[in-house]
Amino acid sequence: EAGVVQSPRYKIIEKKQPVAFWCNPISGHNTLYWYLQNLGQGPELLIRYENEEAVDDSQLPKDRFSAERLKGVDSTLKIQPAELGDSAVYLCASKKAVEDTEAFFGQGTRLTVV
Amino acid sequence: AQKITQTQPGMFVQEKEAVTLDCTYDTSDPSYGLFWYKQPSSGEMIFLIYQGSYDQQNATEGRYSLNFQKARKSANLVISASQLGDSAMYFCAMREGQNFNKFYFGSGTKLNVKP
Repeated sequence: EAGVVQSPRYKIIEKKQPVAFWCNPISGHNTLYWYLQNLGQGPELLIRYENEEAVDDSQLPKDRFSAERLKGVDSTLKIQPAELGDSAVYLCASKKAVEDTEAFFGQGTRLTVV
Repeated sequence: AQKITQTQPGMFVQEKEAVTLDCTYDTSDPSYGLFWYKQPSSGEMIFLIYQGSYDQQNATEGRYSLNFQKARKSANLVISASQLGDSAMYFCAMREGQNFNKFYFGSGTKLNVKP
């Protein structure tokens, strides 16, 4: 069974440019998370989806960040425009259901804004 | 207040020795769950072990065990017989809230296993 797939693995962009990250969760997993991980810190939740519904986006900076999961399967996280402080690793994770114990993580996208 | 506190930024352990990674948590919910994840240099978070707040016994998974002390609000990870491949970042995490919809990570501990 394939794990959580994220692309690209690495992205370097200039500030003020837009950027998008893609995540394909494990097949059949209804719950999908996007996390932000700054260097030397633990992941912080940006948004959680149950199927196609964003049920927790309280930590998502909505002035520049947006996310979608239109068909309740794969998801895209976008930043427009990117700022220097957005340089971080963006992790995607999925679970079959919210009450399940284990969430499976992708390898992340490392974003560098120059 | 921090929800999850990991006070050891870095730890060294000799191969084949046991090591304990500390974690304390803060919650007022009676029902919560505690996790440990391993993050190697490749970047993905690998689930290691889970302890529910109502579980009477400490969780164990192979060489990993969770020393759960509810009154002290601590959930330390014990790795027995360390291997070189155990060198990685280790994160303690907690879920709480209605339908367990809140999930928090600590700042992590970098474990280095010496040959």
